Amino acid sequence: AQRVTQVQPTGSSQWGEEVTLDCSYETSEYFYRIFWYRQLFSGEMVFLIYQPSFDTQNQRSGRYSVVFQKSFKSISLVISASQPEDSGTYFCALSELILGYKLTFGTGTSLLVDP
Amino acid sequence: EAAVTQSPRNKVAVTGGKVTLSCNQTNNHNNMYWYRQDTGHGLRLIHYSYGAGSTEKGDIPDGYKASRPSQENFSLILELATPSQTSVYFCASGGDWGGQNTLYFGAGTRLSVL
Repeated sequence: AQRVTQVQPTGSSQWGEEVTLDCSYETSEYFYRIFWYRQLFSGEMVFLIYQPSFDTQNQRSGRYSVVFQKSFKSISLVISASQPEDSGTYFCALSELILGYKLTFGTGTSLLVDP
Repeated sequence: EAAVTQSPRNKVAVTGGKVTLSCNQTNNHNNMYWYRQDTGHGLRLIHYSYGAGSTEKGDIPDGYKASRPSQENFSLILELATPSQTSVYFCASGGDWGGQNTLYFGAGTRLSVL
C-alpha cells in the first residue's frame, strides 16, 4: 500500500535562507510521481512542483527544486531565498500509475518564514 | 485558468441529518475527487470518479456516498451526518495520468456537525 510520511510537523526560517522540507514514501510501483503542494492560510492548495520516478534529474521550478533519492524513497523540497510569503503548510503527495490518477498525501509541514 | 467551485463554503448540520456538498469544474477533466482534511491526517481520499456516471471508493468511504451526474459535477453525500464528519472537505479535478497533469482544488467546505 502507498504511504507518504512527512516527519517535520513544523519548520521555520529567516528571510533569504534556503529551506529544506523532507518527505518519504512507500511504493512498490516503478511508475509514480511525487507532487509538492503549498496550502495557503486561506486553505487554497497551490501546486508547486513534481518529480516523475523515471527521471533521474532533480526537477526545478523557479525558487523550488527537489532532491530526489529514489533508492531511499525519499524526496526533499528545497526553497531558495525564502520569503515571508512562502509561509504555509507544505504537502508531499504520491501518485501511482497503477491506481489511476489518485494522490496520497502526507500530513504536511507547517513553515513559518520570519521577515 | 482551471476552476473548481465548491458549495456551500460553510455548513452547519445536525447529527442524523443529510448533507450534500457540491462541486463543479470547468476544466473538462475526466477525474474528480473528494478529500477531507483533519489536523494530523493531511488530506484523505473519500471518493473519486473517472467520468460521468462512475464513482469509486477511496481510502475512507464509510459514511459517505458520491454522485457524478455529469462531467462537470461531483457531489458528496452524507446520508446520516455524525460529529466525526466535522472537517474541511476539498473537491479536486484532474486530467489523465502523465506529464505535469496535477489536481486542481476547490477552496474547501468547512462542515460542522453538531
